[in-house]
Amino acid sequence: EAGVTQFPSHSVIEKGQTVTLRCDPISGHDNLYWYRRVMGKEIKFLLHFVKESKQDESGMPNNRFLAERTGGTYSTLKVQPAELEDSGVYFCASSQQGAGETQYFGPGTRLLVL
Amino acid sequence: AQKVTQAQTEISVVEKEDVTLDCVYETRDTTYYLFWYKQPPSGELVFLIRRNSFDEQNEISGRYSWNFQKSTSSFNFTITASQVVDSAVYFCALVMNSGYSTLTFGKGTMLLVSP
Repeated sequence: EAGVTQFPSHSVIEKGQTVTLRCDPISGHDNLYWYRRVMGKEIKFLLHFVKESKQDESGMPNNRFLAERTGGTYSTLKVQPAELEDSGVYFCASSQQGAGETQYFGPGTRLLVL
Repeated sequence: AQKVTQAQTEISVVEKEDVTLDCVYETRDTTYYLFWYKQPPSGELVFLIRRNSFDEQNEISGRYSWNFQKSTSSFNFTITASQVVDSAVYFCALVMNSGYSTLTFGKGTMLLVSP
């Protein structure tokens, strides 16, 4: 069974540009999560989808971040326009059920905004 | 609100030494789940263990063992006879059973095992 995949693995962009990150969850997992780790800090929650609906987006930093999960399969996270403080590693995770279930993580996307 | 503290930022050991990674958590919920994840140099987060708050039995998996103590709100992780391949950042995390299922992570402990 394929794990969670993320694309791209790395992205280097300039301030003001747009970047779109993609996450493909494990097949059959209704729950999809986005997390972010900024250099030297904790991994922080961004948002949670159940199928195509946003269950919780309380962790989204501001309206420059837009997440979608059309059709309840893969998800995209767009940052527009990117700022320097958006640099970090963006992780996606998925789980079959909700609360308390193990979340399986992808390899992350390393974003560097110059 | 919940919180996870991993006080050890970095630990260095020599191969074959035993090492314990500490994790202390805070939550008001009576039902919750604790996790450990490993992040090797390749970057992905690898799931190691999940423990619910009602199961205080210690767990052993090969060279890995976990000690869960509700009385001290700790969920410590011990690697016996460490190996170079154990070098990684280890994260402890907590999720409540009620409400949203977001993981709260500690800052991680970087473990370096030298040959």
